[in-house]
Order: sequence, then structure tokens, then C-alpha cells
Amino acid sequence: AQSVTQPDIHITVSEGASLELRCNYSYGATPYLFWYVQSPGQGLQLLLKYFSGDTLVQGIKGFEAEFKRSQSSFNLRKPSVHWSDAAEYFCAVGARQAGTALIFGKGTTLSVSS
Amino acid sequence: DADVTQTPRNRITKTGKRIMLECSQTKGHDRMYWYRQDPGLGLRLIYYSFDVKDINKGEISDGYSVSRQAQAKFSLSLESAIPNQTALYFCATSDSSSSTDRYYGYTFGSGTRLTVV
Repeated sequence: AQSVTQPDIHITVSEGASLELRCNYSYGATPYLFWYVQSPGQGLQLLLKYFSGDTLVQGIKGFEAEFKRSQSSFNLRKPSVHWSDAAEYFCAVGARQAGTALIFGKGTTLSVSS
Repeated sequence: DADVTQTPRNRITKTGKRIMLECSQTKGHDRMYWYRQDPGLGLRLIYYSFDVKDINKGEISDGYSVSRQAQAKFSLSLESAIPNQTALYFCATSDSSSSTDRYYGYTFGSGTRLTVV
């Protein structure tokens, strides 16, 4: 069965510093991969997705993620964090066959200090 | 109006009561999903439906039932609510067209915060 692991429950980063949020997946084949963000009291918004091709994908709000097949990872990065990036971030995987639903990780809460 | 509307936004109910959470969408999507969010547990899939005649259990369907009344409406019921069903519930939709971008391009509702006392 496919699964997603986000090893970090909570991360604090200084404003202006770089950010990396980790995501590892377990699946028999390369799944589709996603990062979502949830601001306090809000629903989920898609940041970026990987289906195939270039392993470095760009998303909204200056985020990017790199797919590494050898490490079964899809880590999210941002070169300079802004206070408004404080939120909860979820990694998700989807099987390549169409008859399934997304499976989400447990999330990483990002705090931004001034 | 929002593309995916969940009602109610907040609800407090008593243990043992039956409660229904409703989800309606104007996206024209054929796929609909119910997830629950608990602190530290992320989003877990309860049920999903790929069309009006197709209902599938997710990883945590026990204690829940669903009804797909129309392509645009997907309701989640708690037959006899218990306190550990206190959570934030999200409805989501997607499109099963051949474009991968759409069938995994979920649109989420704003959530229903349910408290069972």
C-alpha cells in the first residue's frame, strides 16, 4: 500500500532563511506527488505537483520541490521564507492508475520567527 | 459562491446523535471525496465516489456512511456520533477526464468543524 511520511512535525525558521520540508513515500512504482499548504483556519491549497519529466518542479509562492527516485523523496524548498509562509504543509501521493484517491502525510507545521 | 460548499461550517452535537454533513459543488466534477483532519494525523480518507453509482470506502470508513444524491452532492453521515469523531472534515472534488492534471487536481471545501460532546 502506498504511504507518505513527513518526518518533521514542527519546524521553526527565521524570516529570510531558507526552508526545506521533507517528504518520503512508499510505493511500488513512481506515484504522482503533491504539496499542499493549509493556512490557519483555511482549506488546502495546491502548491505544486510532479507527474513526470523534470524532477525539479516549480510551484506558487516561490516554492519548489525535487523528486529523487533513488531516495523516494519529494522535498519542498524555498530560498527565503516570509512570515506569511507560516502554515501547515502536507505532502500527498496518488497512484498512477486513475481509480484511487490521494493519500496525505501527517503534515509539517512551519513557524516563522522574526 | 464557492466552488465547493460544505454545510454546516461548525457543529456541536451530542454523543449518539445522527448527523449529516453536506457537500455541494459547482465545478462539474464527477469525483468527490470526504477526508477528516485531526491534529498530528493529517488528512485521512473516509469515503470517495467516482460517479453517482460508485461509492468506495477509504481507510477510516467505520462509523460513517455516505450518499451521492447527484453528481454535485455528496453527504457524509455519522449514524451515532461518538467523541472521537470530533475533527475537521473536508470535502474535495476532482475531474476524471483523461487529463492527469484534472483528475488529481483536487478542489477542497472550507471544512466543517464537528465537535461531539
